Amino acid sequence: AQSVTQLGSHVSVSEGALVLLRCNYSSSVPPYLFWYVQYPNQGLQLLLKYTSAATLVKGINGFEAEFKKSETSFHLTKPSAHMSDAAEYFCAVNGPGRRALTFGSGTRLQVQP
Amino acid sequence: KAGVTQTPRYLIKTRGQQVTLSCSPISGHRSVSWYQQTPGQGLQFLFEYFSETQRNKGNFPGRFSGRQFSNSRSEMNVSTLELGDSALYLCASSLGDGNSGNTIYFGEGSWLTVV
Repeated sequence: AQSVTQLGSHVSVSEGALVLLRCNYSSSVPPYLFWYVQYPNQGLQLLLKYTSAATLVKGINGFEAEFKKSETSFHLTKPSAHMSDAAEYFCAVNGPGRRALTFGSGTRLQVQP
Repeated sequence: KAGVTQTPRYLIKTRGQQVTLSCSPISGHRSVSWYQQTPGQGLQFLFEYFSETQRNKGNFPGRFSGRQFSNSRSEMNVSTLELGDSALYLCASSLGDGNSGNTIYFGEGSWLTVV
């Protein structure tokens, strides 16, 4: 069975500060990992995905994530937060033979001016 | 290229009624999946269709059903609505060639309120 844990349901940073959103996964098979962002009253937009090609994955809007197998982690980072980054972020996992995504509980990012 | 399109965007139903939600995937995508999003349970997988066949099903009661048409468009149906069915229902599509690493694209969702 696959599962995802996102530490911190709410994260608040100042504009220009580092953004770090944590995601740990549990999977019995090599996973595929995804980060999605959800703005209010909208669907999910893919930020980036890991499919074993490279451990450091760069996504849209300046976000990146690093796959660390030894730590079973896939944390999302952005060097400098912007007000427009305020949203809810979801980490998700699936694996070979299973396209259905298992999502974490989400982290709401607040950016203070 | 048009994204995943869901209709209707908002709807209000009464307990005991049934509802049908529609989804048009990205052109060329043959896999369509549905997810329910609620504040309490988060994002949960409902089912996935590929080439008109249900491939996977989540842990939801039989009141939740779906289908996919030959043009890959999909519908989901919820019968005998309960208050707890109030949620955002998200449709997603992917190329669906068997590779789980394919990008899964989501629509804007259908907001269902049961009163």
